[in-house]
Amino acid sequence: GQQVMQIPQYQHVQEGEDFTTYCNSSTTLSNIQWYKQRPGGHPVFLIQLVKSGEVKKQKRLTFQFGEAKKNSSLHITATQTTDVGTYFCAGGYGQNFVFGPGTRLSVLP
Amino acid sequence: DSGVTQTPKHLITATGQRVTLRCSPRSGDLSVYWYQQSLDQGLQFLIQYYNGEERAKGNILERFSAQQFPDLHSELNLSSLELGDSALYFCASSVGSLAGVDEQFFGPGTRLTVL
Repeated sequence: GQQVMQIPQYQHVQEGEDFTTYCNSSTTLSNIQWYKQRPGGHPVFLIQLVKSGEVKKQKRLTFQFGEAKKNSSLHITATQTTDVGTYFCAGGYGQNFVFGPGTRLSVLP
Repeated sequence: DSGVTQTPKHLITATGQRVTLRCSPRSGDLSVYWYQQSLDQGLQFLIQYYNGEERAKGNILERFSAQQFPDLHSELNLSSLELGDSALYFCASSVGSLAGVDEQFFGPGTRLTVL
């Protein structure tokens, strides 16, 4: 079956440092979505990537979709305390989808 | 505010009992999804309904069932509750039927505590 893995599981950074989380699928994805869940909150959609090799930016966040459409990454430049939370990827497989286990980011001021 | 509402916000009950969680999707959204999130865990997809019909099934226990009504609101029924069912239950909605493609809007969740 389809599996989506994310690494690392946890990441602690000092404010101002960069952060990257990686999402890997066991099979080719049709698309990938990223969500952020703040502590005590609900997941919020960040972005969707569809094309092979696609790169999208949202202010300090950079999202990439691998050429083989089996992996993706989320990179945050110069983290801020507002970036704290768990970042989930969700891999789309046509009509099905699988959420990754998430990467929990802590930012120390 | 995502536009998705869930009631109740908190629910405390005893083992062996049955509860019903309710979700109202965003206006215009036809799909409703249910997720379970245990403490410090990821999102476990349970089930999806699209326009009243079951669309996709995840790791939903036989003790759990759901339905989507003609007005598109959905209910998740949990029966014979066990301690391990204590979790945050999220409902999400989207416009279309393709879960992997459509952006999902999550509700605030219902926190279920089974004592």
